[in-house]
Parts: sequence; C-alpha cells; structure tokens
Amino acid sequence: EIVLTQSPGTLSLSPEERATLSCRASQSLSTTYVAWYQQKPGQAPRLLMYGTSSRATGIPDRFSGSGSGTDFTLTISRLEPEDSAVYYCHQYASAPNTFGLGTRLEIK
Amino acid sequence: QVQLVQSGAEVKKPEASVKVSCEASGYTLSDHYLHWMRQAPGQGLEWMGWINPDSGGTNYAQRFQGRVTMTRDTSINTAYVELSSLKFDDTAVYYCAREVNFGPGKGMDVWGQGTTVTVSS
Repeated sequence: EIVLTQSPGTLSLSPEERATLSCRASQSLSTTYVAWYQQKPGQAPRLLMYGTSSRATGIPDRFSGSGSGTDFTLTISRLEPEDSAVYYCHQYASAPNTFGLGTRLEIK
Repeated sequence: QVQLVQSGAEVKKPEASVKVSCEASGYTLSDHYLHWMRQAPGQGLEWMGWINPDSGGTNYAQRFQGRVTMTRDTSINTAYVELSSLKFDDTAVYYCAREVNFGPGKGMDVWGQGTTVTVSS
C-alpha cells in the first residue's frame, strides 16, 4: 500500500500570504494519478486538482499543483479566509487508493 | 444539477449490518465508476472501494474484504454499500463519490452529502 505523508500537519497563515502544502509518497507515482481535495467542517470533500496540476471546474487559479516522483505540492497563493479547510492528497496509481492524513490550513 | 443523495443516519449494534444508498441525479449512474469512502470522527478519509455501475464489477480495499459489498440498481440510478459484522470503530461518516476521467487525470468530482453510521451497544 502506498503511504502518503502530508506536511505540515497544521499551517496558520494570514490573508494574502502563500500556502505550500506537501505530499510525499512512499513509492514513485505517475503525475496522472495524484489529486487534491479540500474539506471544510461538516462538508463533503471537494475536488481541487487532478492529474497533479489540472484544476477542477470552478477552482480559482490561486490554486496550483505540481510535483513528480514521490513529491507533490499544492500551492495556494493570495490566501483568503474561505481557504480555511483541511486539504488531502490522494493517489490512485496503485490499489488500494490512499489518502494522506491531511493538512489543516488556518487563516489568521 | 448533478448530485449524489445518500440515505439517512443509521445507529446499529455491534455485529449488525448496515446498508447505505447513494442515488445519482442529473446523470446516468452507469456512466461513471462510483467510490465509497469513510471518515471516522476527527480523522482523515479512508477509501473502501469502487463499483463499476455499468458491469457491477467491484474492487474493495483489502481491509474490508469479506465484510463489504457494493451493489447497484441501475433502474433507479442508485448504488449501495453494505458493511457487515459492525464494530465500534466502524462508526464514521460514509461517502459515495463519482469518478470522472478528465483525460490528464481522474478525480472524484461529485460527492454525496455523507451518511453517519454509529455503532453503539
């Protein structure tokens, strides 16, 4: 099973700052099979990125994804209060699909 | 609009079974794989498996093998997950989600609202 390690566990930043969220895989992954989700309290997750760097419908261009091999990054520029959430990376390159434990982003 | 609507909250005793439904609207269930995930209180997401609603084929996470069954009824555009021999740590919110192949990658773009399953004696 591929383990995804997300860091940091919690990130506290101010509006307008940039957030960099990391996701490290225990094995090399094709970029095709990495996605990111945002989850706010009491809500279902929301697809942000697929194929590492492609934004899902309706996702603002402040969100970007990058990476290859075992290291993947979600970057959120110009943070807004509404970005406060938990962010999960997800791989489906190898069964079983796995998620990271999440990064909690707090906007001060 | 495209949405997945799940059945309501359940309270079950240990060793019982629970069956959660997920009704698709705004699209044809058979057109997309459907995944099931769960989230224990305060925890992250755990993938349980998927069903190909067109063929009925399934792929379950190893840890649920023998306890989980995913089915569908295409006549009513609804998928189901059944979990048997419930334990206290099966208490979680269960989600269904539609998988879409965008070309350069895949993702789960539509999620159900979640169904809370509580295992309590």
